[in-house]
Amino acid sequence: EAQVTQNPRYLITVTGKKLTVTCSQNMNHEYMSWYRQDPGLGLRQIYYSMNVEVTDKGDVPEGYKVSRKEKRNFPLILESPSPNQTSLYFCASSLIDPGGHYGYTFGSGTRLTVV
Amino acid sequence: GDSVTQMEGPVTLSEEAFLTINCTYTATGYPSLFWYVQYPGEGLQLLLKATKADDKGSNKGFEATYRKETTSFHLEKGSVQVSDSAVYFCALSDRREGNNNDMRFGAGTRLTVKP
Repeated sequence: EAQVTQNPRYLITVTGKKLTVTCSQNMNHEYMSWYRQDPGLGLRQIYYSMNVEVTDKGDVPEGYKVSRKEKRNFPLILESPSPNQTSLYFCASSLIDPGGHYGYTFGSGTRLTVV
Repeated sequence: GDSVTQMEGPVTLSEEAFLTINCTYTATGYPSLFWYVQYPGEGLQLLLKATKADDKGSNKGFEATYRKETTSFHLEKGSVQVSDSAVYFCALSDRREGNNNDMRFGAGTRLTVKP
């Protein structure tokens, strides 16, 4: 089954304790992206990657890191989490199409609470 | 920059009622337009799309027509069911702006359908 898999689904952590949220896709998509979803703010892009070893900042990159060492994986790293990073996080992937015709496939989400 | 504005919710309807969720966009190029649906506890799923003016996207009884003259992509369904209760996101992708495979999302509209 074609899918984007995120882990964990739920995570409660303490301020300053490094964590990684994993994302993996099995569709050979070049493009992968991380979003956070907050009430009243919709989805905001954190980082994206156009291909292996190619990453760039989205709208809200502060406090996050990513890496793309393999095409299928795109982990999100919080080196020193803070309470304002409490949110619902989504990973998404797609083929790259100059016409912009392809939609995204999303993971099921990771609900992160930083206390 | 590109943006999407959709009607604020929440929207509450009775089963078999007619649904319209308004969406308008601002884009400098020739965007593709999308509707995504998010069921409780899940990630976003692509519901339908339209890639050029006057195209109609449809799926599961939902429809939306790409109106360039009014820069709109309103979502409609003739008879909603309880199972349609979800959050609906309008989105656009305008790859002509650059190399970013970016998708811009509206804030989401929560729909509740009562029996």
